[in-house]
Amino acid sequence: AQRVTQPEKLLSVFKGAPVELKCNYSYSGSPELFWYVQYSRQRLQLLLRHISRESIKGFTADLNKGETSFHLKKPFAQEEDSAMYYCALEMGNQFYFGTGTSLTVIP
Amino acid sequence: DAGVIQSPRHEVTEMGQEVTLRCKPISGHNSLFWYRQTMMRGLELLIYFNNNVPIDDSGMPEDRFSAKMPNASFSTLKIQPSEPRDSAVYFCASSLYPTGELFFGEGSRLTVL
Repeated sequence: AQRVTQPEKLLSVFKGAPVELKCNYSYSGSPELFWYVQYSRQRLQLLLRHISRESIKGFTADLNKGETSFHLKKPFAQEEDSAMYYCALEMGNQFYFGTGTSLTVIP
Repeated sequence: DAGVIQSPRHEVTEMGQEVTLRCKPISGHNSLFWYRQTMMRGLELLIYFNNNVPIDDSGMPEDRFSAKMPNASFSTLKIQPSEPRDSAVYFCASSLYPTGELFFGEGSRLTVL
C-alpha cells in the first residue's frame, strides 16, 4: 500500500510565482513527516521536517491531519529551487518516500 | 565525516552476472537503509538494519536480492543473478535513531544489459 502519495511527477512554474508541491500520506498514528530534496548532481538531503516548524530556503510545510496532507509551499520560486522533491513518512524508524516531484522553475 | 560512502558509483553489467553494491554509513549511526530509485516508482525501501540486524526486508523484490551488514561500518547489497529490470540507482542511507534524519550516499547507478 502506498503510504505517501505525490500526485505530480512534474511541476513547472515561473520564477517569482508561488509553488506548492503536494503530499498526502496514509497513517493512522501520529506521523513524522519530512521533505527531502535532490539538486542536480547532489545527494538527497533533508529540506525540512514538520516537527521543526521552520522555514528553510523560503519553503514551509504544514501538517494537516484532517486532510492527511503535508504540502510544501514557497511564495516566490527561484531558479535554484529546481530539483527533485520527495515527501517522506517515518513509521517506527522506517522511512517511506513518495514517488517524487520534479520542479522546474522557468526564468 | 565524509558522509555515507557508496561504491561503485556506476556499474554496467550483463544479465545473469552477480552485482555487489557497498555502503559505509556515517560513523556512530545505528540505522542503515537501502533504497532503489526509479522514474516510475520513486524511492523504494528495500531493507532496513538497526544495530546491524535486518529489521524489515519486505521491500526486497525477490530472492535474487540479499543484503548484509557484518559490522557497524559496512553493508552490502547483492543481486544474483542480475536482470535488466534491476537497472536503477541504489541509495544507501544512515541515521542515528531516534533523531530521524536520513543521510544519503551519492548512489550507485546500476545498468544491466
